[in-house]
Amino acid sequence: EPEVTQTPSHQVTQMGQEVILRCVPISNHLYFYWYRQILGQKVEFLVSFYNNEISEKSEIFDDQFSVERPDGSNFTLKIRSTKLEDSAMYFCASSALVPPGNTIYFGEGSWLTVV
Amino acid sequence: TQLLEQSPQFLSIQEGENLTVYCNSSSVFSSLQWYRQEPGEGPVLLVTVVTGGEVKKLKRLTFQFGDARKDSSLHITAAQPGDTGLYLCAGVMRSNTGKLIFGQGTTLQVKP
Repeated sequence: EPEVTQTPSHQVTQMGQEVILRCVPISNHLYFYWYRQILGQKVEFLVSFYNNEISEKSEIFDDQFSVERPDGSNFTLKIRSTKLEDSAMYFCASSALVPPGNTIYFGEGSWLTVV
Repeated sequence: TQLLEQSPQFLSIQEGENLTVYCNSSSVFSSLQWYRQEPGEGPVLLVTVVTGGEVKKLKRLTFQFGDARKDSSLHITAAQPGDTGLYLCAGVMRSNTGKLIFGQGTTLQVKP
């Protein structure tokens, strides 16, 4: 069964460093998302991306965050200058079409620890 | 504020018992999805409900979407230890971006 794959599975970085989290969405999907989950808290929406541009972003997704689809298969999340509070599990997701009725599939997550 | 309230947050029951998890909001959702999440992994989709009043069954799991599309429930019949895990509801508002609003989750423990 097709799946969303994410790398790295776990990354430890120094505060202030740049981090790039990578995702390969399901191949025929057109909509891409990033969510995050701080330990013990609910899953939070960061950004949705369609047709090579951001379609919606949350308040969390400030100027320190950016997304890119550099080629036909990868979808990346960049955090320019990480803060301690960026420590979280980051989930990439994709869907063929926009819900309702179309499922959003999640990757296994990238666990980011900022020290 | 767009909120999905799940209840209960924690549930510990004996094998064979029935249980219901609720997901409530004051907002209308165009669809609602139920996920199961294992520690350290991503949410795995169980079901999507779209139509008000819709009922879907997945073996011993029954999912219902409220008539007004503001609430949903997950009922498990004759729970088994393998049902232990975190259950999440997530709703899509009437948007064209696919953004999901998640509930805080229900941690279920089924004891043998």
